[in-house]
Amino acid sequence: DAGVIQSPRHEVTEMGQEVTLRCKPISGHNSLFWYRQTMMRGLELLIYFNNNVPIDDSGMPEDRFSAKMPNASFSTLKIQPSEPRDSAVYFCASSWTGSDYGYTFGSGTRLTVV
Amino acid sequence: KQEVTQIPAALSVPEGENLVLNCSFTDSAIYNLQWFRQDPGKGLTSLLLIQSSQREQTSGRLNASLDKSSGRSTLYIAASQPGDSATYLCAVPNAGNMLTFGGGTRLMVKP
Repeated sequence: DAGVIQSPRHEVTEMGQEVTLRCKPISGHNSLFWYRQTMMRGLELLIYFNNNVPIDDSGMPEDRFSAKMPNASFSTLKIQPSEPRDSAVYFCASSWTGSDYGYTFGSGTRLTVV
Repeated sequence: KQEVTQIPAALSVPEGENLVLNCSFTDSAIYNLQWFRQDPGKGLTSLLLIQSSQREQTSGRLNASLDKSSGRSTLYIAASQPGDSATYLCAVPNAGNMLTFGGGTRLMVKP
């Protein structure tokens, strides 16, 4: 398995533009998570999907952020409009619900909003 | 709300030393604990996963222990090498399977 695949690896955009981050989880995993990492706040959970359904989005900072999971093999995180304070590394992770399995993280998308 | 704390925040040691990284959590009702490694500018790599029924897990020079009752886990690295330099993070899932991370320990092993 190729692991959790995220794209793009790097994104530089101007303030006000729409940004879409993509994630392909590990085949067979039924849970998907979006995290954001910054120096100031560390790793923060943004949203959690189970069986393609959003379970907890309490970590989504504001209405400018939205996430979808149209099927078991694809998820997107969209920021519209983007702001400089959104600059961070965004990670996607997947797992199989249950105590025997851990999480697998993607390599992340480094977002810079100028 | 689960809180995870890692001590120390940073550690610098000479090559060859054995070292211990600490992780504590406030809610002991966990079903596993996972240790990750993160290299600068990279993603998180899973090192060890300890189930709540286990006391420890070993992988090569790494040994992780778990004491649920006291809310603590330790990651022991034997005979440290410069290639071990990275940030080490521990994380625990809540009942909803969402991970809470500690702030990490930034390790530097000097040759």
